[in-house]
Amino acid sequence: QVQLQESGPGLVKPSQTLSLTCTVSGASVNAGDDYWTWIRHHPDKGLEWIGYIHYSGASSNNPSLRSRLSMSIDASQNRFSLNLTSVTAADAAVYYCARLAFDIAALDSWGLGARVTVSS
Amino acid sequence: DIQMTQSPSTLSASVGDRVSITCRASDDVATWVAWYQQKPGKAPKLLISQASSLQGGVPSRFRGSGSGTHFTLTITSLQPDDFASYYCQQYNSYSPWTFGQGTKVEIK
Repeated sequence: QVQLQESGPGLVKPSQTLSLTCTVSGASVNAGDDYWTWIRHHPDKGLEWIGYIHYSGASSNNPSLRSRLSMSIDASQNRFSLNLTSVTAADAAVYYCARLAFDIAALDSWGLGARVTVSS
Repeated sequence: DIQMTQSPSTLSASVGDRVSITCRASDDVATWVAWYQQKPGKAPKLLISQASSLQGGVPSRFRGSGSGTHFTLTITSLQPDDFASYYCQQYNSYSPWTFGQGTKVEIK
């Protein structure tokens, strides 16, 4: 059974960088067919796809976040990470990591989510 | 971006009821739609992919249908474990992935 666990600071100051890590168990982040995804859930705006990354380096992300977003994979630790720069209150959300089954274009395993607050 | 308009936002029903949730896409997404269930404090769970393909372990009372721009998730006989929130999600290679706003299924 694949399990994902988000970790990172729950509080980030405006203009600073939000960094989250997703640790995976039950699957390898360098498995050929798996893509690793970030999604966030705003209280009043619903779910928003942030982006996904493959161990080969291939990635895709939401154009609305592209200029502030970077994602990476650390196969030695079996985890992947998200960095979002220059955060504002609009970035406050619950952040989820998930595994993307690309062949069915669906997210078949999710973490429990990490709540991020943006405040000075 | 392709918008997914999900309705209703809240649905009150009783155990044993047949309930349906609808998602309308603002552009053709073929059958690239998935449905998720989420309970408070839990991770979302994939129920259906490719509009109608039931995931392993998901009860057969969950049914997905549709193609193009109109999609439906039906629960044929609502069970106590089904009271939760449900989300649709689309994939289109020319658009960011997007989700519906969610439907909360409540006990009537």
